[in-house]
Amino acid sequence: AQSVTQLDSQVPVFEEAPVELRCNYSSSVSVYLFWYVQYPNQGLQLLLKYLSGSTLVKGINGFEAEFNKSQTSFHLRKPSVHISDTAEYFCAVSDVDSSYKLIFGSGTRLLVRP
Amino acid sequence: EAQVTQNPRYLITVTGKKLTVTCSQNMNHEYMSWYRQDPGLGLRQIYYSMNVEVTDKGDVPEGYKVSRKEKRNFPLILESPSPNQTSLYFCASSLSRGTHNEQFFGPGTRLTVL
Repeated sequence: AQSVTQLDSQVPVFEEAPVELRCNYSSSVSVYLFWYVQYPNQGLQLLLKYLSGSTLVKGINGFEAEFNKSQTSFHLRKPSVHISDTAEYFCAVSDVDSSYKLIFGSGTRLLVRP
Repeated sequence: EAQVTQNPRYLITVTGKKLTVTCSQNMNHEYMSWYRQDPGLGLRQIYYSMNVEVTDKGDVPEGYKVSRKEKRNFPLILESPSPNQTSLYFCASSLSRGTHNEQFFGPGTRLTVL
C-alpha cells in the first residue's frame, strides 16, 4: 500500500534563509508526486507536481522539488523564504495506474520568522 | 471566477442531528472528492465521484453519505453525526479522472459535533 511520510511536523526558519521540507513515499509502482500549500484559513493550492521527465520540478512562488526514485523522496526546496511563505505544506502521491486516489502526508508547518 | 464553494464554512451541531455540507464547482469538472483534515493525519479521502451518479468510497467513508445528481454539486451528508466527526472538511474537483489532473480545493468547512 502507498504511504507518504513527512518527517518534520514543523520547520522554523528565518526570513531569507533557505529551506527544505522532506517527503518520502512508499510504493511498488510508478507514481505521480505533488506538493500542495495551505495558507491559514484557506483550502489547498497546488504548488508543483512531478508526472514524468525531468526529476527537478519548478513550481509557483520560487519553490522547486526533486524526485529521487532510488531514495523514494520528493523534497521541497526554496533558496530564500519570505514571511508570506508561512503555511502548511502537504506532500501527496498517487499510482500512475490508480487514476483517482491521492494519498497525503501529515503535513509540515513552515514558520518563517523575521 | 473558477472556484469550488462550500457551505457552511463553520458549523456547530449536536450528536445525531442530520446535516448536509454543500459543495459546488463552476468549472464543469467531472471528478469531485471529499476529504477530512485532522491534526497529524493530513487529508484523508471520504468519498469521490467520477461523474454524475457515479460515486465510490474513499479511505474513511463510515458515517458519511454523498450524492452526485448534477455535475456541479457534490453534497456530503452526515445522517447521525458523532463527536469523532469533528474535523475540517474539504471538497475538491478536477477536470477528469486521473490524478495527474490538478485538484482544486474549496475553502473548507469546520464542523464541531458536541
